[in-house]
Amino acid sequence: GAVVSQHPSRVICKSGTSVKIECRSLDFQATTMFWYRQFPKKSLMLMATSNEGSKATYEQGVEKDKFLINHASLTLSTLTVTSAHPEDSSFYICSAPKTGGTGELFFGEGSRLTVL
Amino acid sequence: SQQGEEDPQALSIQEGENATMNCSYKTSINNLQWYRQNSGRGLVHLILIRSNEREKHSGRLRVTLDTSKKSSSLLITASRAADTASYFCATDAGGNNRLAFGKGNQVVVIP
Repeated sequence: GAVVSQHPSRVICKSGTSVKIECRSLDFQATTMFWYRQFPKKSLMLMATSNEGSKATYEQGVEKDKFLINHASLTLSTLTVTSAHPEDSSFYICSAPKTGGTGELFFGEGSRLTVL
Repeated sequence: SQQGEEDPQALSIQEGENATMNCSYKTSINNLQWYRQNSGRGLVHLILIRSNEREKHSGRLRVTLDTSKKSSSLLITASRAADTASYFCATDAGGNNRLAFGKGNQVVVIP
């Protein structure tokens, strides 16, 4: 079964609105989670590292005020796309490291965002 | 820039054949991982090979790593239609589980 749950799987919104995507680790704690963005037929681009109890670390070129990340508990990280525009339409995927420091990541099923 | 650039990017094979895909990266690594993604879904970890390992097997998967050439290959033996997916290699980008993914190889296995 899935060990990382992501919700919603699909969301359609109007330009200018904000959308929140949740990422939950099931049955394990994740002090760190990662948010990726994926364009059609493209690879995953790391957007940011979500840190429980502290600020997220954003990759170069990613607008922190545009993509708000909150990691309020050891099992939940949220990504909020603020004032969404059509160019924000994409597939957003979260992941959490497997406990034990193996380096392996568990991924959520992804969230398809369409901004009209 | 993304590490882990795979070549080729698209592969179509008959069921039962072997599928081989390659990956190259640019910086030193602690480990290299391969993931699988079905269309529109999340990624599933397949196999991890550490920098001090040269070859690793897991079921029908065989991974090689050549750190001198900064390259890796993934071989899927006796392919099945269910192996149809995109395959990505990923390298740790500076530690702390921050993985950098390559472009991916789309594999289509024809029944």
